[in-house]
Amino acid sequence: DAGITQSPRYKITETGRQVTLMCHQTWSHSYMFWYRQDLGHGLRLIYYSAAADITDKGEVPDGYVVSRSKTENFPLTLESATRSQTSVYFCASSVTDGAEAFFGQGTRLTVV
Amino acid sequence: RKEVEQDPGPFNVPEGATVAFNCTYSNSASQSFFWYRQDCRKEPKLLMSVYSSGNEDGRFTAQLNRASQYISLLIRDSKLSDSATYLCVVNNDYKLSFGAGTTVTVRA
Repeated sequence: DAGITQSPRYKITETGRQVTLMCHQTWSHSYMFWYRQDLGHGLRLIYYSAAADITDKGEVPDGYVVSRSKTENFPLTLESATRSQTSVYFCASSVTDGAEAFFGQGTRLTVV
Repeated sequence: RKEVEQDPGPFNVPEGATVAFNCTYSNSASQSFFWYRQDCRKEPKLLMSVYSSGNEDGRFTAQLNRASQYISLLIRDSKLSDSATYLCVVNNDYKLSFGAGTTVTVRA
């Protein structure tokens, strides 16, 4: 039972490059989320999706793009990476909107 | 004002002690509440849901006070393995809002 998996686990990229973080879940959960975690800020919601082809902005969406063509996948793309996007990124899923969320192991992204 | 605010601690307690801490939330319409645990920047994991009547899970007790808009977590008989950051989580409009976390360190 793989659950929810993120790839890559670690990534170093240069300023201005496009980078995509992958998230895959095997539970067929309707809801999926992308958070970033930075010291002093806790987890902040970037984007979320209620179902395939339905996405919406969270608290800090600028500089990010998401898509959800299949229920199980929710990739996050940084169109032109900036140093301020250096962070730990967590993908999560939940069966309904009010239910607990299950998290992937995170992707540590460094933009140099 | 942040949607969810927590005392960051750290709370440094000896084994066997009781430790308690709160978090406050700003949206009175929030419907779901949780405590998550996070170890060393690993992924957060659900510790327990918080129900209106209060609930226990072993040594952990969670309370919800809707009138004052706060949630509490109490840990009895602390173990070394309880050392972690505890995240208060509130469901607002179909998405979860996280507090910045309360760090608890249990010493031998």
